[in-house]
Amino acid sequence: DQQVKQNSPSLSVQEGRISILNCDYTNSMFDYFLWYKKYPAEGPTFLISISSIKDKNEDGRFTVFLNKSAKHLSLHIVPSQPGDSAVYFCAASRANTNAGKSTFGDGTTLTVKP
Amino acid sequence: GAGVSQSPRYKVAKRGQDVALRCDPISGHVSLFWYQQALGQGPEFLTYFQNEAQLDKSGLPSDRFFAERPEGSVSTLKIQRTQQEDSAVYLCASSLELLAGSQGQYFGPGTRLLVL
Repeated sequence: DQQVKQNSPSLSVQEGRISILNCDYTNSMFDYFLWYKKYPAEGPTFLISISSIKDKNEDGRFTVFLNKSAKHLSLHIVPSQPGDSAVYFCAASRANTNAGKSTFGDGTTLTVKP
Repeated sequence: GAGVSQSPRYKVAKRGQDVALRCDPISGHVSLFWYQQALGQGPEFLTYFQNEAQLDKSGLPSDRFFAERPEGSVSTLKIQRTQQEDSAVYLCASSLELLAGSQGQYFGPGTRLLVL
């Protein structure tokens, strides 16, 4: 049973437009939700996170929204840039369990076209 | 400051061969994680160390997998009698324990293992 799901394997957007990446989870005990970005042949890089007690967190062009009742979160990238093209992983962790051991979704490949 | 490094970057093994994968975490990072990433999937947790103590090995798929971190820094993931289903990218990550839940983990580039 996959606890974190990213149902869209890929997304293509035009440069300058908004990218919206979605993630669903099943375990209501998660305390933090994180987004990682991964380029080919590199490890994932932490991008942004949100606590389960918040509904929005913003960092520059990146905003994460959390809807706890729907067990759904999304990452908005505005404006999208070609350098944003990568695989984006949604992850979830529990604060008091093994220092943030994370459960990951299968990723969404974002392509930003110039 | 160097990031997390892993070696080798690529490993081809014959089925039945033993392999050892090395991880050098960021200096001072207390927590160290190993993940397995199959093609087209997200990383899956294997095991977790706090300093030299292995506190969680619930993700290790079989007793052929063994991990150690004897001095609380470098870690080695060993796979005995490799099978074709062990082919994957093995990712190592480290973190400052108190912040990892919200600040994420620092990942190495991974070791791509191919078992023939």
